[in-house]
Amino acid sequence: EADIYQTPRYLVIGTGKKITLECSQTMGHDKMYWYQQDPGMELHLIHYSYGVNSTEKGDLSSESTVSRIRTEHFPLTLESARPSHTSQYLCASSGQGGSPLHFGNGTRLTVT
Amino acid sequence: QKEVEQNSGPLSVPEGAIASLNCTYSDRGSQSFFWYRQYSGKSPELIMSIYSNGDKEDGRFTAQLNKASQYVSLLIRDSQPSDSATYLCAVASGSARQLTFGSGTQLTVLP
Repeated sequence: EADIYQTPRYLVIGTGKKITLECSQTMGHDKMYWYQQDPGMELHLIHYSYGVNSTEKGDLSSESTVSRIRTEHFPLTLESARPSHTSQYLCASSGQGGSPLHFGNGTRLTVT
Repeated sequence: QKEVEQNSGPLSVPEGAIASLNCTYSDRGSQSFFWYRQYSGKSPELIMSIYSNGDKEDGRFTAQLNKASQYVSLLIRDSQPSDSATYLCAVASGSARQLTFGSGTQLTVLP
């Protein structure tokens, strides 16, 4: 079973606050990803990383930022949360080549 | 044209029937193909991987791959109400740098 952890599971926060969503994996995977998904809608890739100190923006433009200082850790930060950021954020990782993605349980963010 | 397309749902089948989910992809160099199941409000869960032409069976699930026709399908035999979920097709490009997901097909199995 994949070992990828996201915290918090649920977060309700006011507009303008800075937040960091945590994602850690214990599989030693080089590749990590952040997806955004609204209820009943498609997955949208917002950030990915192929290794330490490597980060790229995904297909969907996002005001969030990410960092990859350690292989196992890929946090996502919103400097100033807005109601439009309300969504589910899913972290995933994968191994070499055409390996499948393993997803964390997600963080459901609500900005009031 | 989207890179990965799935048959538009929602799809409803009676309990015990075979559910057939289809997916086509545009990149002929694609090498790896996956099916994920996603329950409402949950994260996607990998249920099948297939890498070569033909059928791959795992319990009630069978994945079928035809690279010449650029399609991959998932058959669920003896469908159960617990199979009701959205099924996502994912394809790894020839460079295998990223997975591309389809938009998903919502399946409802009626008791």
